[in-house]
Amino acid sequence: DAKTTQPPSMDCAEGRAANLPCNHSTISGNEYVYWYRQIHSQGPQYIIHGLKNNETNEMASLIITEDRKSSTLILPHATLRDTAVYYCIVREPTGANSKLTFGKGITLSVRP
Amino acid sequence: GAGVSQSPSNKVTEKGKDVELRCDPISGHTALYWYRQSLGQGLEFLIYFQGNSAPDKSGLPSDRFSAERTGGSVSTLTIQRTQQEDSAVYLCASSLVGTSGSEQYFGPGTRLTVT
Repeated sequence: DAKTTQPPSMDCAEGRAANLPCNHSTISGNEYVYWYRQIHSQGPQYIIHGLKNNETNEMASLIITEDRKSSTLILPHATLRDTAVYYCIVREPTGANSKLTFGKGITLSVRP
Repeated sequence: GAGVSQSPSNKVTEKGKDVELRCDPISGHTALYWYRQSLGQGLEFLIYFQGNSAPDKSGLPSDRFSAERTGGSVSTLTIQRTQQEDSAVYLCASSLVGTSGSEQYFGPGTRLTVT
């Protein structure tokens, strides 16, 4: 079972920031928070991950609360191509628990 | 550089036939995963290979499913005596191990249709 909960869907206007929330209240100390997205008919795409510090890369920013029980993925300037299902996943980076356990994800719709 | 590739991209087979799906991981990636995505079940883990260790087969749904990884690179997922419920997109992913990230990179998938 997925250890994360996400709202089923949200939308935002093109050019605005999209803030996607995720709850992971049972996360353990050695588990990281990962975000993937899946654009229709494609394989999942890695976005970003973090352990406890906030992270930023060319695609997005990841904000993790101090107690690590929740996080937010931020797409700073959403485009129509960002319309996808976004998965928040907690996992250990190596070993038997490194497999990805996908929940239902959140469907982000970016409107013109 | 080259990403994960899978073949065939589409496969239609008759119920009861065997099928083989191939995955070419990113060069140098020591970990390889198979997942499948079907309408009723979402994305689910099937099997995991890491180096020379015994594979984690905990996600295989039945003994009709098996997978091999030869020479630590290419992997083949075999489904024997296919059933209609095996219809799904089969996804392969690979990753480096030993880094803090170990993010998985996915291939485009093989769409299997069992008629």
